[in-house]
Amino acid sequence: GAVVSQHPSRVICKSGTSVKIECRSLDFQATTMFWYRQFPKKSLMLMATSNEGSKATYEQGVEKDKFLINHASLTLSTLTVTSAHPEDSSFYICSARDRQPNEKLFFGSGTQLSVL
Amino acid sequence: GENVEQHPSTLSVQEGDSAVIKCTYSDSASNYFPWYKQELGKRPQLIIDIRSNVGEKKDQRIAVTLNKTAKHFSLHITETQPEDSAVYFCAASKQAGTALIFGKGTTLSVSS
Repeated sequence: GAVVSQHPSRVICKSGTSVKIECRSLDFQATTMFWYRQFPKKSLMLMATSNEGSKATYEQGVEKDKFLINHASLTLSTLTVTSAHPEDSSFYICSARDRQPNEKLFFGSGTQLSVL
Repeated sequence: GENVEQHPSTLSVQEGDSAVIKCTYSDSASNYFPWYKQELGKRPQLIIDIRSNVGEKKDQRIAVTLNKTAKHFSLHITETQPEDSAVYFCAASKQAGTALIFGKGTTLSVSS
């Protein structure tokens, strides 16, 4: 199946710094990518939908100025957690769908963010 | 918006037994229902999916059933093995490839 690469896999940062997470579709073009957040032993919560060449659509309760999403090309979307605080510590995971109508979403490997 | 409820939250079975996980959804416009298996710290892996024009789908030891009228779907795992132990998530979306809304997950433990 298609491959979605996500980096970094783990990041530890100090409170107040910004962290960028990259999500790449390696063998297909992704017009749409989705960003999820997962707390320990909890479900995946949809944060935003990232569309190539346009602004991301954020779910209710997700601060767009806090979680900046950029989808500059058909193979790359980035999530930047700005001015990170300990409560932002979580597992962030992206998923992507093919440019052509595709039955399945493909997930990145996730990024474990720990804010000290 | 869509809301997906999943039960049970934990399930313990003996090796060789069957396991059943049930989900309900709220949006009658949803028509794509995948199931994912997630091991600790790993990405969710699609194990089976079903569309609304199909009532049942089977892949070896795994099967999914869908009741559109009642808006519920279930995952059935037969002849469980210890390696089936993981967290299983159901999800729903309005069409395949759009954003998935996930259930809260079921932690399946298979003891030998």
